[in-house]
Amino acid sequence: GQQVMQIPQYQHVQEGEDFTTYCNSSTTLSNIQWYKQRPGGHPVFLIQLVKSGEVKKQKRLTFQFGEAKKNSSLHITATQTTDVGTYFCAGPLYGKLTFGQGTILTVHP
Amino acid sequence: DSGVTQTPKHLITATGQRVTLRCSPRSGDLSVYWYQQSLDQGLQFLIQYYNGEERAKGNILERFSAQQFPDLHSELNLSSLELGDSALYFCASSPGERSSYEQYFGPGTRLTVT
Repeated sequence: GQQVMQIPQYQHVQEGEDFTTYCNSSTTLSNIQWYKQRPGGHPVFLIQLVKSGEVKKQKRLTFQFGEAKKNSSLHITATQTTDVGTYFCAGPLYGKLTFGQGTILTVHP
Repeated sequence: DSGVTQTPKHLITATGQRVTLRCSPRSGDLSVYWYQQSLDQGLQFLIQYYNGEERAKGNILERFSAQQFPDLHSELNLSSLELGDSALYFCASSPGERSSYEQYFGPGTRLTVT
C-alpha cells in the first residue's frame, strides 16, 4: 500500500495566495525529495532534504523536513501562474524511491 | 532538458500486441528506473537497473520486462497489452545504485492501447 502520503490532493488558489503541501511517511526516511511536474511534462527534481528539522529555500519555495524525519512540507509564497503543476514528495523506502500521490496546484490569475 | 532521452514519444497499438520503449540515461548515470503514470495511480515504480543488473522491482506485471544494455541504455518491453496498460511511461536515471539519489526523468512515452 501507499507508504508516502501527501495532502491535499488538489489545491486551487488565486494568484498571490500562499500554498502548502504536506507529506507523511509511515517510517523514518533517510531523506525526502521534492519534484514538480508541469502539465504535459515530466517530473523535475527540485530539492533533497537530509537532516532532521532541515529548512531550505528556493526563491519563493520553502521546504521543511520534520524533526522525526517522517514528514515534510513545501510552502510557496505568493503563488504565480508559473507555479501550476503537480508537486510530488518522495522518500527512499525498502530500496525504492517511493512517491506520494502528488498535490495538483491550480493558480487562477 | 534533463539529459534523459526516451523514444518513442507516442505509441498507439492494439490489445494483445507487444511494444518496446527505449531510454538513454544521462551521461555518467549508471541507474535507470522505469515508472508508469496513469491518471488515478500517480507515479508507480516498475523496476530499476544498475550497470546492467536488476536492482529493485516494484509493481511490474509479469507481462512486462526490462533490461539494461552494456552502453547503459534500457528497454521496457510490454506484451499482451491490455486497455489498462494505457499510460505514460517514464524513465529516470541517477548516478548511483541507492534509492536515496535524486532522479532525472525523461520526457516519457505515452502509450495508448485501443
